[in-house]
Amino acid sequence: KAGVTQTPRYLIKTRGQQVTLSCSPISGHRSVSWYQQTPGQGLQFLFEYFSETQRNKGNFPGRFSGRQFSNSRSEMNVSTLELGDSALYLCASSFSGGPGETQYFGPGTRLLVL
Amino acid sequence: EDQVTQSPEALRLQEGESSSLNCSYTVSGLRGLFWYRQDPGKGPEFLFTLYSAGEEKEKERLKATLTKKESFLHITAPKPEDSATYLCAVQQGGSEKLVFGKGTKLTVNP
Repeated sequence: KAGVTQTPRYLIKTRGQQVTLSCSPISGHRSVSWYQQTPGQGLQFLFEYFSETQRNKGNFPGRFSGRQFSNSRSEMNVSTLELGDSALYLCASSFSGGPGETQYFGPGTRLLVL
Repeated sequence: EDQVTQSPEALRLQEGESSSLNCSYTVSGLRGLFWYRQDPGKGPEFLFTLYSAGEEKEKERLKATLTKKESFLHITAPKPEDSATYLCAVQQGGSEKLVFGKGTKLTVNP
């Protein structure tokens, strides 16, 4: 079974631009979560989607948004990029996002903001 | 607020030298504690899920244990290929999100 895939793998943007990242979950998984990983803060939860609905959101500004499509694929968007948004963005999928369910991570998208 | 603390931050071992990594947590209504391994430039790779105090799981040279306040990842006779950052995460009841510790960077020298 194919794992979680993320595109693109690398991105370079400049301050003020916006970016869209894509995530395809494991086949049959309907819950998709997004995390930001930086050397200083580690992995931090951004948001989680299930059946096209955002169920949970982390403590990030409104510039960070996401959506999920009917085929469970998900996108996240960051508008008005800041230097501090440079990070590894990770997507994780699970069957339903239920309690105790394992989340499987993709390889991540490395975003560099100049 | 949920908190997950991993120690040590970094650990250097000789091949064959067994040791343990610690993950302490403060969370109400633990629904699961997860261990992941992350290699540089890659996403976290799932290792174990533990659900209740007293539970243990093993995989090759790794063994994870759980108490009411902490979890240990025991590494027996490590090899250089075990070098990676090991991440611990907890999931609280009523939430899908994982709260991660900062990780332990393990280096195993041949």
